[in-house]
Amino acid sequence: EIVLTQSPVTLSLSPGERATLSCRASQSVSNYLAWYQQKPGQAPRLLIYDASNRATGIPARFSGSGSGTDFTLTISSLEPEDFAVYYCQQRSNWPRTFGQGTRVEIK
Amino acid sequence: EVQVLESGGGLEQPGGSLRLSCAASGFTFSTYGMSWVRQAPGKGLEWVSTIGGGGSSVYYADSVKGRFTISRDNSKNTLYLQMKSVRAEDTAVYYCAQGGYNLWFDAWGQGTLVTVSS
Repeated sequence: EIVLTQSPVTLSLSPGERATLSCRASQSVSNYLAWYQQKPGQAPRLLIYDASNRATGIPARFSGSGSGTDFTLTISSLEPEDFAVYYCQQRSNWPRTFGQGTRVEIK
Repeated sequence: EVQVLESGGGLEQPGGSLRLSCAASGFTFSTYGMSWVRQAPGKGLEWVSTIGGGGSSVYYADSVKGRFTISRDNSKNTLYLQMKSVRAEDTAVYYCAQGGYNLWFDAWGQGTLVTVSS
């Protein structure tokens, strides 16, 4: 099973600041990595797929990078609606696995 | 517009059975793999099961293998999850999601809560 480790667990930032979230895989997943955003009481939403492609309707302030085992989600300038939990997920191997999540909270 | 809508959650005793359904619309259902993903209260996301578009390819998390069965009826655009021998640790919101086979989880339902308790 591929284990995805996200860091930090919690990120405390102010609106307008840059957020950098990390996801590390226990073995290479090539570029088969996605990022999801989840707000309280809502279903997750696909943000980034294939490591660096924005999903439909996702603002340009969200960007993804990386390949192999190390990946990054960057939010260039936090908007109030961006404070949420973010998960990475791989589909390189079965079972599909998610990271444990990074909470981006208002400082 | 792509929509998936889960139903069938509720309270069940340990050892009991439950069947979840997911009605899909807005896309050609039979050409997409479909999945179940769950989230225990206050916890992260856990992939549960995926089925290919034709229904012949199925995959399960070890935590549910042998107890849960995923299936689909392409004539009804509906995905199912038959849950047997449920345990307290199966308590979670269960999400139906488009994708998971050779695509990402691109469209999610609002979730249905399953509570396993005596």
